Amino acid sequence: KAGVTQTPRYLIKTRGQQVTLSCSPISGHRSVSWYQQTPGQGLQFLFEYFSETQRNKGNFPGRFSGRQFSNSRSEMNVSTLELGDSALYLCASSPGTSSTTQYFGPGTRLTVL
Amino acid sequence: AQSVSQHNHHVILSEAASLELGCNYSYGGTVNLFWYVQYPGQHLQLLLKYFSGDPLVKGIKGFEAEFIKSKFSFNLRKPSVQWSDTAEYFCAVIHGSSNTGKLIFGQGTTLQVKP
Repeated sequence: KAGVTQTPRYLIKTRGQQVTLSCSPISGHRSVSWYQQTPGQGLQFLFEYFSETQRNKGNFPGRFSGRQFSNSRSEMNVSTLELGDSALYLCASSPGTSSTTQYFGPGTRLTVL
Repeated sequence: AQSVSQHNHHVILSEAASLELGCNYSYGGTVNLFWYVQYPGQHLQLLLKYFSGDPLVKGIKGFEAEFIKSKFSFNLRKPSVQWSDTAEYFCAVIHGSSNTGKLIFGQGTTLQVKP
């Protein structure tokens, strides 16, 4: 099976802009989770989508949002970008039932200038 | 708040030395436990996992971990490290059955193995 894919791999934006990141899960997986990785804060959970519904949410401001489509692909949007949003954004997919493993994509490196 | 603590932030070992990385979590209920590894320039990969059953779990590349419920710990071990084990290691926990997609990560441990 193909792994989790994320596009684009790199992005450069300026403060105040918005950005959309995309994630395609492993075929058959219905859950997609998003994480932010920074040197200072480490890996932090953003949110999880399962069958097109947000099932879990982390402690991020409302500028961070997401959605999931009927084919399980997911997008994450960040509006009004701030310098502190510069990070590696990781997507992970899993079947979505209990006691399952999340498989990670390569990430999107976002730089905010 | 639920949290995961990794005690060693940076570990330097010589090849063939034994490795033990500590991981403690704060939640007292049902947990699923994971160790992930991130090799330089690569994405996060699963090393091993514990859901239930035998508390001693074996993963890829000779790694193993032991779940000690009374100590809220899930320490990672390898009897003899290799230069290729140089990477960052993350302990992660899912707390409770309603948080299936929500991994809580430790801060990570950077392992440097000297040839």
